[in-house]
Amino acid sequence: AQSVTQPDIHITVSEGASLELRCNYSYGATPYLFWYVQSPGQGLQLLLKYFSGDTLVQGIKGFEAEFKRSQSSFNLRKPSVHWSDAAEYFCAVGITGANNLFFGTGTRLTVIP
Amino acid sequence: DADVTQTPRNRITKTGKRIMLECSQTKGHDRMYWYRQDPGLGLQLIYYSFDVKDINKGEISDGYSVSRQAQAKFSLSLESAIPNQTALYFCATRENSGDTQYFGPGTRLTVL
Repeated sequence: AQSVTQPDIHITVSEGASLELRCNYSYGATPYLFWYVQSPGQGLQLLLKYFSGDTLVQGIKGFEAEFKRSQSSFNLRKPSVHWSDAAEYFCAVGITGANNLFFGTGTRLTVIP
Repeated sequence: DADVTQTPRNRITKTGKRIMLECSQTKGHDRMYWYRQDPGLGLQLIYYSFDVKDINKGEISDGYSVSRQAQAKFSLSLESAIPNQTALYFCATRENSGDTQYFGPGTRLTVL
């Protein structure tokens, strides 16, 4: 069965520091991959997505993610975190022929001054 | 995303009450979804609909029902609410020719 793992439940970084959030998936073929962000009291906003092609994808708010087939990973990165990036981040996997997305359990990001 | 709206945004109710959560979209998407979010569990699919006449159960449909009144409207009902249905509920739509889902702002439901 397919699964999505976000191994870090909570990460704290200083403002201006770099960020990497980890996501691993389990699936036999190349899935569609997504990162969503949920700010406090808000819904989920799409940050970026990977379907095919260039394995490094750029998203909104200065985020990027890299698909690594050999590691079954799709880690999210940002070179310099801003206080407004504090939120919960969800990795999700879509599979051809499936009807829904499979979500990881989320990583909560805290940004300290 | 303002194109997907949910009402109410917050609701507190008592065990045994019937509750309806509503979702509307202006994206023109045929596919709509209801998810439930619990702390530490991510999002789980309750029901999904590909069009007005096509409704399907998701992973955790027990205790829930849905109604697709029109392409733009997809309602979730709890016929007799119980405390373990306390959660954050999200509606989403999906592109007709793609895989990206767009989420509403969520409804926080508390069942006492």
